[in-house]
Parts: sequence; C-alpha cells; structure tokens
Amino acid sequence: GENVEQHPSTLSVQEGDSAVIKCTYSDSASNYFPWYKQELGKGPQLIIDIRSNVGEKKDQRIAVTLNKTAKHFSLHITETQPEDSAVYFCAASNPGANSKLTFGKGITLSVRP
Amino acid sequence: DSGVTQTPKHLITATGQRVTLRCSPRSGDLSVYWYQQSLDQGLQFLIQYYNGEERAKGNILERFSAQQFPDLHSELNLSSLELGDSALYFCASNLGNSPNTEAFFGQGTRLTVV
Repeated sequence: GENVEQHPSTLSVQEGDSAVIKCTYSDSASNYFPWYKQELGKGPQLIIDIRSNVGEKKDQRIAVTLNKTAKHFSLHITETQPEDSAVYFCAASNPGANSKLTFGKGITLSVRP
Repeated sequence: DSGVTQTPKHLITATGQRVTLRCSPRSGDLSVYWYQQSLDQGLQFLIQYYNGEERAKGNILERFSAQQFPDLHSELNLSSLELGDSALYFCASNLGNSPNTEAFFGQGTRLTVV
C-alpha cells in the first residue's frame, strides 16, 4: 500500500520567514495530494491540494509543488504569521475503486513572533 | 464550522467495554470516512461508506465496525476496548465516492480507555 513520509517532524520559523514542509510517497499510481492544517482541538482542514497533472499550485501565501519522478511534494508558506502555527499533514491517494487517502504523520509548525 | 458533527466529544470507558461514536456528515455529502489519530501513528484511515454501502477499508481492527444509515449518518462501533484504542477518532465527509476531493472533518471524539 501507499506510504507517505513527512520531514521534518517539527519546524520553527521566525514570523515573516518562509516555511517548507516536504513529503515523499511510495505509490507511483497516486494522483491526488492534499495538505491539511490541524489547529489545536480541531479537525484537519484542507488548505491546498494538487493533482498529478500539475507541477505547482499557488493560493496567496501557500504553494505546493509536485515532483512525480522523485515522488515527493512540498508545501511552501511565505511571510509566515503566528496563526500559521499548527500541525500540517500531507496525504496521497490513488485512483480506482478502492482508493484511500494515506496521511503522513504530521509536522508541527511553530511561528515565533 | 465544517458542517460535520461528531458526538460525543469526549468518552471515557473501561477496558473490555463497547462504545459507539456517531457522525453526521455535511448536508448533501454521500461519503463518510473514519480515521483514528494517535500521537505515534498520525491519521490512520479506518473505513469509508458511500451512500450506505461500505466502499473502502483501511487498517480497521476486527473489533471495530461501522455502518451508514439511510439518512447518511454513520456510527463507528468499538468493542472489547483495550488501552491502546485510546485516541482521537475523526469522521470526514465529501460529496463523491472517492477521497480524491476535499474532505470535511468533524472536531473528533476523544476516546480514553482506562
């Protein structure tokens, strides 16, 4: 089955700096790669996603890049703010009748004011 | 507010007991997904139901079962509970039959087995 790994497990940045979170996946058939943000005491919430026919996608301060050859994708947050502090999960799913969303273990991002 | 409602928010029970977690999906969503979140394992997919039928299965133990009712709400039943079952259980929903579109998560049920 699919295996998704996230690196690093924790990340601390200064407010205003950029943060990059990387994920690798194992199943070359995977074609959907969402990123979820989980704030304390809440459920995960989708912040951006990318499909395998696209190499990069941007939404204001957030961007995601996908390298299918290397089987890795990254989340880029620019001009970080304290409210960006949360746990971020990457995930991957494959097409087909039995498709499942496999999550990485999450990374805790801390933005220092 | 994601529109997904999970009850109860907290549950404390003893080993060997059985509990039922409930999920009401977003209005109009036909798929319900159950996930288990523990500190060391992250978010683990358990099972998906689409319009009342089981559609995909993940790492769900035989002691666990789920169902989706005609009104589309879902229940996750956990039996013969063990200390290691203590975790956050999330329900998510989306419109289609695939996890390849945005899923909306509830706030979770925190289960503590003592």
